[in-house]
Amino acid sequence: NAGVTQTPKFQVLKTGQSMTLQCAQDMNHEYMSWYRQDPGMGLRLIHYSVGAGITDQGEVPNGYNVSRSTTEDFPLRLLSAAPSQTSVYFCASSPTPGDRGHYGYTFGSGTRLTVV
Amino acid sequence: GEDVEQSLFLSVREGDSSVINCTYTDSSSTYLYWYKQEPGAGLQLLTYIFSNMDMKQDQRLTVLLNKKDKHLSLRIADTQTGDSAIYFCAESTGYALNFGKGTSLLVTP
Repeated sequence: NAGVTQTPKFQVLKTGQSMTLQCAQDMNHEYMSWYRQDPGMGLRLIHYSVGAGITDQGEVPNGYNVSRSTTEDFPLRLLSAAPSQTSVYFCASSPTPGDRGHYGYTFGSGTRLTVV
Repeated sequence: GEDVEQSLFLSVREGDSSVINCTYTDSSSTYLYWYKQEPGAGLQLLTYIFSNMDMKQDQRLTVLLNKKDKHLSLRIADTQTGDSAIYFCAESTGYALNFGKGTSLLVTP
């Protein structure tokens, strides 16, 4: 049981480049979400999904796109990287809250992104 | 989202109890969570409490919930140096989490 897998772990991009951060979970969780963590800011929600084919914006969605074609995968796309997107990115998944066996949100190990 | 508030720093001596406080914003939050983050690592779920509970105990951890004041606390008994980390309070928004900025706990020998 791998849990939530994020790739890559580290990435350096040049300003203007695009890339996709991968997130996959093998727990058949309906809910998935992306967060960015910046020093002194805690974690802020970028985008989330409540099931395959359904996505919505969080607190800081600008510059990012997501899609959810399968239950397992929830990739985050940076369209044109900017230095302000330098951050640590975390993906999380959860069963539908209220389901029996709800044990909270499981987080991936993160992707550390630097945009130069 | 609206702010989940936590104090930024807490320092305790090894063996003492630590209490980390949090105020949250959404009275409809079903679950409230405490996560731990060690340097350079991801987030580890420590415990959570359902909104219809007042208290939850799990080994050295005690969570107290005051719904009237929207106040959540995490007590760590017999704090050890390995407990040094950042602790995040989070409320469920129904589809994702709204986090506080985190409390850095330093445990000194």
